[in-house]
Amino acid sequence: GESVGLHLPTLSVQEGDNSIINCAYSNSASDYFIWYKQESGKGPQFIIDIRSNMDKRQGQRVTVLLNKTVKHLSLQIAATQPGDSAVYFCAERNDYKLSFGAGTTVTVRA
Amino acid sequence: GAGVSQSPSNKVTEKGKDVELRCDPISGHTALYWYRQSLGQGLEFLIYFQGNSAPDKSGLPSDRFSAERTGGSVSTLTIQRTQQEDSAVYLCASSLNNRNTIYFGEGSWLTVV
Repeated sequence: GESVGLHLPTLSVQEGDNSIINCAYSNSASDYFIWYKQESGKGPQFIIDIRSNMDKRQGQRVTVLLNKTVKHLSLQIAATQPGDSAVYFCAERNDYKLSFGAGTTVTVRA
Repeated sequence: GAGVSQSPSNKVTEKGKDVELRCDPISGHTALYWYRQSLGQGLEFLIYFQGNSAPDKSGLPSDRFSAERTGGSVSTLTIQRTQQEDSAVYLCASSLNNRNTIYFGEGSWLTVV
């Protein structure tokens, strides 16, 4: 069964606002977490990752937060743009295997 | 290559036929994965290769599914006697080793009619 899931299946956000996508995981042995973006008709695209010995990591317009106490992961997108519209998946890795949740569909309103 | 390459990108096949899906991982990546994604769903793990060996085949849904990897590079996923429920996107991914970032290809979209 799947050990990773997202809190909300859909998220609608106004262009220019910040987006927050949440994810809960259940395997405390997972040591590595990744966020992927998947646009229609394409494969998952790596956005940002974080190892379990960190609680925050920043990239370009994106920040990932990890709270191991409550097994929660979030992706923050700053100044959301129309090109950010996609399905976002969080994934956790235990040893070599990556497990995915069902995804959150983000729609950016103009 | 620059990224994970998969072929064919689209395949329509008749029920009962066999299909082969190919994956060319990023050069130098020793770890290779196959996942399946049904319409509107998340990614389902199928098989993991480290080099040419497959220490984890636990995700293959039935004995109609098999995969091999030769020369530590290209992998082929074979589905025998295809069924309509096999219709999905088959995604290949690779990683430098099993501790590094995993990168996906664009997928092979399989439709069984």
